[in-house]
Amino acid sequence: AQKVTQAQTEISVVEKEDVTLDCVYETRDTTYYLFWYKQPPSGELVFLIRRNSFDEQNEISGRYSWNFQKSTSSFNFTITASQVVDSAVYFCALRRGLTGTASKLTFGTGTRLQVTL
Amino acid sequence: ETGVTQSPTHLIKTRGQQVTLRCSSQSGHNTVSWYQQALGQGPQFIFQYYREEENGRGNFPPRFSGLQFPNYSSELNVNALELDDSALYLCASNDRGPLNTEAFFGQGTRLTVV
Repeated sequence: AQKVTQAQTEISVVEKEDVTLDCVYETRDTTYYLFWYKQPPSGELVFLIRRNSFDEQNEISGRYSWNFQKSTSSFNFTITASQVVDSAVYFCALRRGLTGTASKLTFGTGTRLQVTL
Repeated sequence: ETGVTQSPTHLIKTRGQQVTLRCSSQSGHNTVSWYQQALGQGPQFIFQYYREEENGRGNFPPRFSGLQFPNYSSELNVNALELDDSALYLCASNDRGPLNTEAFFGQGTRLTVV
């Protein structure tokens, strides 16, 4: 069974602070994909990153960075120098990597990030 | 902005009625998935269609059904609506070929059952 846990329900920070969103996953598959999506109040899920299970390199994209550690089954997301526009709900998700299977996403419950001035 | 569009954006229905939600996939994507997102929860997988055939289903009763058309657009039908069906319904498309792309989501349809 696939499971994603986002233990932080809500985080509030002041603009320019760094913030890390935690994600822990469970899977018996050796091949899988991990994702982060952002959901602003409009409702649409905005794709941020995809990482496959064989690539443990950390990634940085502007103010965003991701730390993937298979040893702890974690895929954490850090926003550096947060901005008010970063306020949203962030979801971590898991997908099986086997070909021929439905490419469904298993989502965590999300972390609501509130960035204030 | 993704190329996935959903209609309508909002809908109010009465318990027991039937509803049809529509989704237009991003160009070139052959797979469409539907998710239900209750308030304060993460999206839950309903089912997926690949080349017009159902290809995976989540833990939802048969009154949730769907279709995918030759142009890869899709419909989600829900019969005998219940109050608990009130949620944001999200459609996502991806290319399940060699590229196996990530899923791109539409803006969702917010369904309220009264």
